Amino acid sequence: KQEVTQIPAALSVPEGENLVLNCSFTDSAIYNLQWFRQDPGKGLTSLLLIQSSQREQTSGRLNASLDKSSGRSTLYIAASQPGDSATYLCAGYTGTASKLTFGTGTRLQVTL
Amino acid sequence: DAGVTQSPTHLIKTRGQQVTLRCSPISGHKSVSWYQQVLGQGPQFIFQYYEKEERGRGNFPDRFSARQFPNYSSELNVNALLLGDSALYLCASSLAGTWTTEAFFGQGTRLTVV
Repeated sequence: KQEVTQIPAALSVPEGENLVLNCSFTDSAIYNLQWFRQDPGKGLTSLLLIQSSQREQTSGRLNASLDKSSGRSTLYIAASQPGDSATYLCAGYTGTASKLTFGTGTRLQVTL
Repeated sequence: DAGVTQSPTHLIKTRGQQVTLRCSPISGHKSVSWYQQVLGQGPQFIFQYYEKEERGRGNFPDRFSARQFPNYSSELNVNALLLGDSALYLCASSLAGTWTTEAFFGQGTRLTVV
């Protein structure tokens, strides 16, 4: 059974810091990987999609990488802002099932 | 273009009742998936439908059922509600319903069972 671990579970940083969120899968046979943002009580906003043939994707201050050999992904956030405060979830398509397997998330707080 | 829309946004039901949740995918998307998110956890897969056929089912009891309509909208039904069914129910749509396409989520339906 695929399990996804996200480290750290929670993180508090001052505004302006660069930070890295980590995600690891027990089964490294990952096809696609998505990073999502979730504000309290809200749905998921897709941030980045890394397709199976890619190693990384960038959007603005966000950069995500995927190492399929180890089953690990990182989300790098540059120059963090208070508006970045949210829970960040990674999820991957694995195996033959057309479903996303999610981690439990990293709760990020960026303080002034 | 409108994103994924879900209704209702909030719902309170009594144990033993039945509930129906609705989802409209992004225009042009033919796949709809349902996920349950309990507080403090990541979403768990319930169902996937593509072209009105069930393509996947998660580890949920038979009290959970779903269907997809010709216009690709979908309904999730839960019978004989339990307190443990209280959660945020999320709908996701994608073009092809496989791992090759990006999933987009709605804002969810918050179900509270009392």
